Amino acid sequence: GAGVSQTPSNKVTEKGKYVELRCDPISGHTALYWYRQSLGQGPEFLIYFQGTGAADDSGLPNDRFFAVRPEGSVSTLKIQRTERGDSAVYLCASSPGQGTFGTDTQYFGPGTRLTVL
Amino acid sequence: GDSVTQMEGPVTLSEEAFLTINCTYTATGYPSLFWYVQYPGEGLQLLLKATKADDKGSNKGFEATYRKETTSFHLEKGSVQVSDSAVYFCAPPASGGSYIPTFGRGTSLIVHP
Repeated sequence: GAGVSQTPSNKVTEKGKYVELRCDPISGHTALYWYRQSLGQGPEFLIYFQGTGAADDSGLPNDRFFAVRPEGSVSTLKIQRTERGDSAVYLCASSPGQGTFGTDTQYFGPGTRLTVL
Repeated sequence: GDSVTQMEGPVTLSEEAFLTINCTYTATGYPSLFWYVQYPGEGLQLLLKATKADDKGSNKGFEATYRKETTSFHLEKGSVQVSDSAVYFCAPPASGGSYIPTFGRGTSLIVHP
């Protein structure tokens, strides 16, 4: 079956530009997570959605980062005024969200590699 | 401080050797604990998990036991194969009552024939 998909797979942009990264979760999964992974590091949590609402956005580094999930399915991570330090692989994951909170297995997408020149 | 401490790599082993990758965490309560794996050129995927104290998660010959008394979830395999070469991530939740998995830095495992 279809897994989590992310587009684009690669994005190169210039410092100061605006970018949008898209995530299509597994159909029926109510929970969706965004992480970013720098080289040699583990994924760093950014934001978690349960349905349409951001249940935890404590990982967003600053107000240049914003994410939406208007219909409870596809999510878009938006980065304004990109900086070179934003360069990383941005990962999306989804989980069923039906069981006891915190026990769900996350299913990861392949990631979007963002390079800010 | 860090909420998860994971053994640094790379770990280099010969085929059929015994593997241990240590992982300790700081979260309180009874969080679920996970190990994820990233094979070369592939995305992150769940390897195993344990949802309560003293549970043992297992998959593909790997095991990890949820030790609440030592807040540890060490990954073990009795006989590694070349195909186990990958990066392994321990993922307990962050501290402070959160149940969002927080990933360690990853341990690279290289298995030689």
